[in-house]
Parts: sequence; C-alpha cells; structure tokens
Amino acid sequence: GQQLNQSPQSMFIQEGEDVSMNCTSSSIFNTWLWYKQDPGEGPVLLIALYKAGELTSNGRLTAQFGITRKDSFLNISASIPSDVGIYFCAGQLLSPAGDMRFGAGTRLTVKP
Amino acid sequence: ETGVTQTPRHLVMGMTNKKSLKCEQHLGHNAMYWYKQSAKKPLELMFVYNFKEQTENNSVPSRFSPECPNSSHLFLHLHTLQPEDSALYLCASSQDPAREQYFGPGTRLTVT
Repeated sequence: GQQLNQSPQSMFIQEGEDVSMNCTSSSIFNTWLWYKQDPGEGPVLLIALYKAGELTSNGRLTAQFGITRKDSFLNISASIPSDVGIYFCAGQLLSPAGDMRFGAGTRLTVKP
Repeated sequence: ETGVTQTPRHLVMGMTNKKSLKCEQHLGHNAMYWYKQSAKKPLELMFVYNFKEQTENNSVPSRFSPECPNSSHLFLHLHTLQPEDSALYLCASSQDPAREQYFGPGTRLTVT
C-alpha cells in the first residue's frame, strides 16, 4: 500500500532549539499536509502543500513538498513549550479522491 | 475552534449494544470522512462521502455503518462491536476530496 515513513519517532529538545522531521514514501502523492495533535483532541492542520518543490511557512513552521512528490519535511524554529505534541504528515492520493494516508507521527517533547 | 464537532466525546458500550456517533461541520464543506485512530497505529481512513454520496469504503467491517443525510452531517452507526474496535474515531471535512481536511475532536470509544 501507499505507506508513509515518518521520522524520527520521538524527539526530546531544549526550548529554543530548532526541530526537523520528515516523511518519505515509495508512492507519489498529490498533496502533502502536516498536522499536530494534542492529547484527547483531533489533529489540527498546520501546513498544506500542493505543488512539487513548494516551500511554505506558517509562523515558526516551514514545510516543503519534495520535488519527486514522494517526500516532505517540517521544520520548527525556536521551539517553545506549547510545541509539545504529536506531529503527523499526511499524503493525499490523486485517486481515489479524498484518500489520505498518515505517517505514524513524531512525538515532540520540549524541555524548558 | 468549532468548525467540526463530534458527539459524544466519550462512549463506553458493550459488545451487544447499538450506538451512533455524530459529526457536524459548520464550514460549508462538501466532503466528510470517518477515521479510526488506534494506539500505536497510523490514522486509518474508513469512509469518504462527497456531496452525500459514499465514494470510498476502506474494507471496513459491516458492524460499522455510515450515514450522510446531508453535506453537514455524518453518522457512524455501531453494532455488535469487538473490544479491538476500541479507539478514537475522528470525523473530518474538506471543501472537496482534493482539498485539505479539517478534523473534529474525536469520540473516544471503549468496547467492553
């Protein structure tokens, strides 16, 4: 199937440090998205990427859609305690429409 | 954020019970989705609806029965579930199946 390999599985960093996580797949995706999920809540959309090579920022977050359409990374700069949570990458297939596959998540812990 | 709401937030049911999960979106979207999130597994897409029509069923057992009476409401009817069906059930919506999806807070289901 169209699996997404997300790494790292977990990260422990100091407040103020930069963070990088990525997703790769053997399949081509039409869209890449990054979500954050807090305990007991649903995933919240952070960034959506629609074009190969696209680099998009949202505040301290920056994400890129790989040129091959098979990978994406998310960077968080100057981390703060509220960045704690689980970050998921997701790829949307061209067909069937609406079919979105998720990575296993990166659990981020930020130490003050 | 009240774009996508889900009720109930928590549900405990026996294996012989029948219950329903409800999802409502206030975003004017045309597509709605059900996902299952189990511990230590990536989110799994269950059903996709576009303009009230089911367009995808990812090999979901028949003990899960979706219903989409209109573009704003989505139900998941449950009957004779198994303990392994215990999970967080997430609803999402999008403008159309090719666009980014927005999630509700989920229903934490426990089958005893």
